[in-house]
Amino acid sequence: DAGVIQSPRHEVTEMGQEVTLRCKPISGHNSLFWYRQTMMRGLELLIYFNNNVPIDDSGMPEDRFSAKMPNASFSTLKIQPSEPRDSAVYFCASKLDGRRETQYFGPGTRLLVL
Amino acid sequence: AQKVTQAQTEISVVEKEDVTLDCVYETRDTTYYLFWYKQPPSGELVFLIRRNSFDEQNEISGRYSWNFQKSTSSFNFTITASQVVDSAVYFCALSEAGIYNQGGKLIFGQGTELSVKP
Repeated sequence: DAGVIQSPRHEVTEMGQEVTLRCKPISGHNSLFWYRQTMMRGLELLIYFNNNVPIDDSGMPEDRFSAKMPNASFSTLKIQPSEPRDSAVYFCASKLDGRRETQYFGPGTRLLVL
Repeated sequence: AQKVTQAQTEISVVEKEDVTLDCVYETRDTTYYLFWYKQPPSGELVFLIRRNSFDEQNEISGRYSWNFQKSTSSFNFTITASQVVDSAVYFCALSEAGIYNQGGKLIFGQGTELSVKP
């Protein structure tokens, strides 16, 4: 079975450019999470969706970040305009509903903003 | 507040040594879930184990074992006869509870980087 799919795997862009990260969750999973990993802050949750509805976006750094989940099989995380401090690995994870269920992570997108 | 602490930032061992990674958590919930993930040098996050707060039975899977002790709020992970392929960053995580937490938001520790030398 396919796991969580993320694209692109690597992205290099210049400051000020728009960046769009994509995620396809595991089929049947109805919760989706976006995380950011940096050396300084570790793994931090940016936003999560349940049944395509954003439940908690308190981790979204600022208005430059936005996330959407137009349907059960696709989500995007957009940064506009990007800044060098946004350089990080961005992970998408999905799970079945309920606290006891396990989150399964995608391979991550390594973003470098020059 | 929910919190996960992995006090060991880095551990270095020689192959075949046993090693224990510590995890201490804080929560006010009576029902909660704990997880361990492995992040090898390739960067992906791999699920290892889930434990619920009602089950304090220790678990063993091959060379891996987990010791869950509610009394000390700890969920430690031991690798027996470590191998070079065990070199990775290991994360402990707590599933946050609350009426809005239908989705199971995870609180991660800072991770322990394990280096197993040949």
